[in-house]
Amino acid sequence: ILNVEQSPQSLHVQEGDSTNFTCSFPSSNFYALHWYRWETAKSPEALFVMTLNGDEKKKGRISATLNTKEGYSYLYIKGSQPEDSATYLCAFVNTGGFKTIFGAGTRLFVKA
Amino acid sequence: DAGVIQSPRHEVTEMGQEVTLRCKPISGHNSLFWYRQTMMRGLELLIYFNNNVPIDDSGMPEDRFSAKMPNASFSTLKIQPSEPRDSAVYFCASGRGGSVSYNEQFFGPGTRLTVL
Repeated sequence: ILNVEQSPQSLHVQEGDSTNFTCSFPSSNFYALHWYRWETAKSPEALFVMTLNGDEKKKGRISATLNTKEGYSYLYIKGSQPEDSATYLCAFVNTGGFKTIFGAGTRLFVKA
Repeated sequence: DAGVIQSPRHEVTEMGQEVTLRCKPISGHNSLFWYRQTMMRGLELLIYFNNNVPIDDSGMPEDRFSAKMPNASFSTLKIQPSEPRDSAVYFCASGRGGSVSYNEQFFGPGTRLTVL
């Protein structure tokens, strides 16, 4: 059974705080790891795709790292803003390229 | 590009009725996914297609659910008969499989289904 776990389930921070959360996935048969941002009443949108052990990706104040050997990825948000409030999903893709397993997400609330 | 198109956006029906959800993937994408979002289970993969062929339907809840992809630009998810516990938001997503995109998925706006 492929299991993708995200922690914490939810997070409340103040505007300006930096924060991070974790995605754990199987360390075998790794193909890719995606991060998606999902705002309430909208659809998930891709943030990053990560494929190599040690990958680091950055988009503005958001960055992510990948460790495929131990099966985890971190998402960091620097200086959180209210507009960062959303659910952040990670999705593990195994070899073969088509089986994608989503985690349950981390719901981030940023208070002004 | 119009993105992934889903219809209807909202559907309210009575228990026992047949429901058909529709999806038009992004042109050029060869993978299509149907998901269901519920409070209890989050985002659940129901079925996915590659080149119009169903690859994995292990997430389809039961025989009342069926999905088809008759061509590269259209897919349906059908529930017959519908039950109140089927109430959820159903998302369709498409992507280009393989090393081009590592299975990045582009989601439609979803169909909110309410079964009374």
